[in-house]
Amino acid sequence: DVKVTQSSRYLVKRTGEKVFLECVQDMDHENMFWYRQDPGLGLRLIYFSYDVKMKEKGDIPEGYSVSREKKERFSLILESASTNQTSMYLCASRAGTFNEKLFFGSGTQLSVL
Amino acid sequence: SQKIEQNSEALNIQEGKTATLTCNYTNYSPAYLQWYRQDPGRGPVFLLLIRENEKEKRKERLKVTFDTTLKQSLFHITASQPADSATYLCALDTVQAGTALIFGKGTTLSVSS
Repeated sequence: DVKVTQSSRYLVKRTGEKVFLECVQDMDHENMFWYRQDPGLGLRLIYFSYDVKMKEKGDIPEGYSVSREKKERFSLILESASTNQTSMYLCASRAGTFNEKLFFGSGTQLSVL
Repeated sequence: SQKIEQNSEALNIQEGKTATLTCNYTNYSPAYLQWYRQDPGRGPVFLLLIRENEKEKRKERLKVTFDTTLKQSLFHITASQPADSATYLCALDTVQAGTALIFGKGTTLSVSS
């Protein structure tokens, strides 16, 4: 069965820490995405990548960066975590554009204290 | 401005009835529209996809319609069951978003027995 795996289910960090969220997919998908989900705001796109070493900003990239050194792995980096980055982070991948569904990981609930 | 709206945050119905969820969008021209189910604390799971030139799509007890004139999609669950209780998300697949999907905020469906 296809899988998108996020490294941590729950994470607690302190303000100012550098935080790495890791995501791995086993489907050889070109496209990978990072969303955050907050109550009342829905899923918002942070960054996405359509190829190795390629990245595009989504709707809310401020305070985040990403890395895609290998096709199967897409990392989200919080350079200096802040309390307003407390959220559920969801990684997803898809094979191509249009007519292709997204496969999501189980999510990482990040709390920044 | 561009918007995607799911008209109800919450919908409560009785077991056996048909649940109808609405997704409206403005200032987008989606080629496809997708529906996902999300259970608490989990990532969304794909349910159905419909193309802009399709009026209706069915899968078991699920039915989706897509009206590009009204800029609206309706998602129906017939003979609903308590196990259908979840949050349902619609998502637009549009050139404007590149390879990413744009999500609505979701409607939380509760089916009581």
